[in-house]
Amino acid sequence: EADIYQTPRYLVIGTGKKITLECSQTMGHDKMYWYQQDPGMELHLIHYSYGVNSTEKGDLSSESTVSRIRTEHFPLTLESARPSHTSQYLCASSEPGDSPLHFGNGTRLTVT
Amino acid sequence: RKEVEQDPGPFNVPEGATVAFNCTYSNSASQSFFWYRQDCRKEPKLLMSVYSSGNEDGRFTAQLNRASQYISLLIRDSKLSDSATYLCVVNPTSGTYKYIFGTGTRLKVLA
Repeated sequence: EADIYQTPRYLVIGTGKKITLECSQTMGHDKMYWYQQDPGMELHLIHYSYGVNSTEKGDLSSESTVSRIRTEHFPLTLESARPSHTSQYLCASSEPGDSPLHFGNGTRLTVT
Repeated sequence: RKEVEQDPGPFNVPEGATVAFNCTYSNSASQSFFWYRQDCRKEPKLLMSVYSSGNEDGRFTAQLNRASQYISLLIRDSKLSDSATYLCVVNPTSGTYKYIFGTGTRLKVLA
């Protein structure tokens, strides 16, 4: 069983607020990812990291930013939330090589 | 053409039935293949990796057909609890960040 945790599980917030979604893993994985998924739709990669101080934007354009100061921690920040940011955000990590992704339990964000 | 394609379903099957899903991929050099299960409004959970020789885990069997560029998932003796969306995931370039997700096949097992 993967040990990757996301908080908060649910977040309802007003437009214009700054928010940080937390993601932590205890497996020592270098690779970490953030995906966005709307209901009934496929997952889209918004950020990834190959290790400490490494962050890259994914295939889906996003106004969010990420940081990777510690191996186990990969937070995602939205400086000014908008209703268009309403979605589910999934954090994942993986071992090197041809390894599967292990997902956290997600943060369901609603911006009003 | 999408890089990874799945029939969205839903597949409605009675309890105890055998059901199979296919997933086609466009990049012939793809190296890694996985099946995930996703329940409504939950995170995807790894069901099984797919190996070249095919592999089985209890009631679940996964196969890879490189010549025709598809992977399959067979579920035997379906249970009500198997109702979920099954996601096909392909990593076309070994060891990179690029995991390509299918849109999923929805399965409903009926009592």
